[in-house]
Amino acid sequence: DTEVTQTPKHLVMGMTNKKSLKCEQHMGHRAMYWYKQKAKKPPELMFVYSYEKLSINESVPSRFSPECPNSSLLNLHLHALQPEDSALYLCASSQLRGSRPYEQYFGPGTRLTVT
Amino acid sequence: DAKTTQPTSMDCAEGRAANLPCNHSTISGNEYVYWYRQIHSQGPQYIIHGLKNNETNEMASLIITEDRKSSTLILPHATLRDTAVYYCIVPSLYNQGGELIFGQGTELSVKP
Repeated sequence: DTEVTQTPKHLVMGMTNKKSLKCEQHMGHRAMYWYKQKAKKPPELMFVYSYEKLSINESVPSRFSPECPNSSLLNLHLHALQPEDSALYLCASSQLRGSRPYEQYFGPGTRLTVT
Repeated sequence: DAKTTQPTSMDCAEGRAANLPCNHSTISGNEYVYWYRQIHSQGPQYIIHGLKNNETNEMASLIITEDRKSSTLILPHATLRDTAVYYCIVPSLYNQGGELIFGQGTELSVKP
């Protein structure tokens, strides 16, 4: 199974809402990632989890709160977002040995619209 | 990450080989070259990576010049489904681990 699943596929939320994005993989990967992609732009790294611990936070605003409950699951909790946070949110996973961290498997993404 | 330069867009006729170039003149000796693609409305897909030698897998071939300052991704028989944005990435050896820094990529259009 080389699939990374993300739910929901689409999400519309108001600026006062709290919502969560979910990501799951069953490939035994010990690194998981969140990326954000605005329209017509390349993906931008937000967070990296290694062995269920947050290892990289690319100066992401605190209204985005990641969580890695176990080695297969990754969540992104959203609160008090702004309309400019509307984007495609991509989850990825990889092994951690040698050069393998850069061989990442991506999910299809959650398209978020903030109204 | 070592800076990469790719053409903004390319066209290719269906059934012909698509050759996508990438310049990475500041690459360090032990840094790998990775290629990803992103089909419209999908997540990026890993294609191939290499260090010095040419590499081939079921999706593509990667040709790296002897001085390692440039590389070419080859899709031997392009199909309409290969229409996508192709990203060439050279992750830095000093990365903490796993950071992929995507550039603008090459938008490949395969035409019938």
